[in-house]
Amino acid sequence: DSGVTQTPKHLITATGQRVTLRCSPRSGDLSVYWYQQSLDQGLQFLIQYYNGEERAKGNILERFSAQQFPDLHSELNLSSLELGDSALYFCASSFIRSNEQFFGPGTRLTVL
Amino acid sequence: QKEVEQDPGPLSVPEGAIVSLNCTYSNSAFQYFMWYRQYSRKGPELLMYTYSSGNKEDGRFTAQVDKSSKYISLFIRDSQPSDSATYLCAMRETSYDKVIFGPGTSLSVIP
Repeated sequence: DSGVTQTPKHLITATGQRVTLRCSPRSGDLSVYWYQQSLDQGLQFLIQYYNGEERAKGNILERFSAQQFPDLHSELNLSSLELGDSALYFCASSFIRSNEQFFGPGTRLTVL
Repeated sequence: QKEVEQDPGPLSVPEGAIVSLNCTYSNSAFQYFMWYRQYSRKGPELLMYTYSSGNKEDGRFTAQVDKSSKYISLFIRDSQPSDSATYLCAMRETSYDKVIFGPGTSLSVIP
């Protein structure tokens, strides 16, 4: 158990809908990272927050947004969902730098 | 050309074999190199990380970095069936926190 929690574990929704994925980092970790993993794309970095502020941005679509709250938990919002958004979404956390990231168990999103 | 490349495998070896997993990369600014292990449908787990060139050993695992060739390796000695997983290399620049992952190599260790 990495200490990172993600909810929900599974999510099934329809195209055009909006969902929110939640992540709680390990105790003491200030950085939260979001990744998307699909079979054909591998693990793709989406966005990083450090102590409430956006720190780095990857291949995150405009339909996706994230935030980190004062208690350091983070939410990833996915809107206007498309079939291609079906994937595993992982959250990871680290104390400061990204060398040692601890990953959560992931949320499996299925868009029908 | 992708920034980080790995042979996807699958790689199948007998128990007790020495396994060599490799990645190549194109960005000469990468300074931190990590190896993660991912069991099926689970979150990746950090095995080890190294800074710049050289070797690092941790139990049965040895990581090597050759920056001149833009090539990194992970060696697993005395491989066990429990080592069967996908291995992801990852790397980042010194001043930029964004980590780039390779596509992963699937490894099966046969008892």
